[in-house]
Amino acid sequence: SQELEQSPQSLIVQEGKNLTINCTSSKTLYGLYWYKQKYGEGLIFLMMLQKGGEEKSHEKITAKLDEKKQQSSLHITASQPSHAGIYLCGAISGGGADGLTFGKGTHLIIQP
Amino acid sequence: GAVVSQHPSWVICKSGTSVKIECRSLDFQATTMFWYRQFPKQSLMLMATSNEGSKATYEQGVEKDKFLINHASLTLSTLTVTSAHPEDSSFYICSARAVEDTQYFGPGTRLTVL
Repeated sequence: SQELEQSPQSLIVQEGKNLTINCTSSKTLYGLYWYKQKYGEGLIFLMMLQKGGEEKSHEKITAKLDEKKQQSSLHITASQPSHAGIYLCGAISGGGADGLTFGKGTHLIIQP
Repeated sequence: GAVVSQHPSWVICKSGTSVKIECRSLDFQATTMFWYRQFPKQSLMLMATSNEGSKATYEQGVEKDKFLINHASLTLSTLTVTSAHPEDSSFYICSARAVEDTQYFGPGTRLTVL
C-alpha cells in the first residue's frame, strides 16, 4: 500500500514569513491532493497535481509535484494567521480503488 | 467550489444503538463517494467507497456488516453504524468525487458512543 510521509509534523512560523511543507511517497503518485483542515472540521480542497513537474498556485499558496512524481511541496508566501491549520497531502490509494491515502498532516501555527 | 454536507454534525448515542450519517453533494452529482474515519490527532483513514446503484467496497479491516453504506442517489450516501460501541467513537468524514476527479469533503460528523 502507498504511504505518504509529511514533514515537518508541526511548524511555528512568524507572521509574514515563508514556509514549505513536504510530502513524500513510497510509490509513484498518480494524483496528489493538498487539503487544509481545522481541528474537528472538514477538509478544504487546496490543489490537485497530476503531472510530473506540475506547479499550481492559488493566492499565496503554491504546490509542486516533482518530475518523478514521488514528492510534492506546498509553499506559503508571506504567511498570515488565516493560514494556520493542519495541512494534509493525499494520494490515490491504488489497486483499482480511488479513495485517498493521507499523510499524517503538518500542524501549522502562525505567530503574530 | 463544490459543496458537500453531512448530517448530523455531531451525535451522542448509547452503546448498542445504530446511528445513521448522511452525506450529500449539494451542487453536483457524484457517482462515487467515500467514507473516512479520523481518530483524535490522527490522519484520515479510508473506510469504504460508496458507488451509486451498487454495493460499497470496504477497506481491509472494516466490517461491512457493522458499517452499512447505501448510495441511493447521485447526491446522497448514508453510513449506518450498527450496534455502536464506545470504540466506534470517532470523527466520520465523507467526500464526493466530482467530474474532474477532485474529492470534496463534508464538514464531518463527530460520533460519541456512551
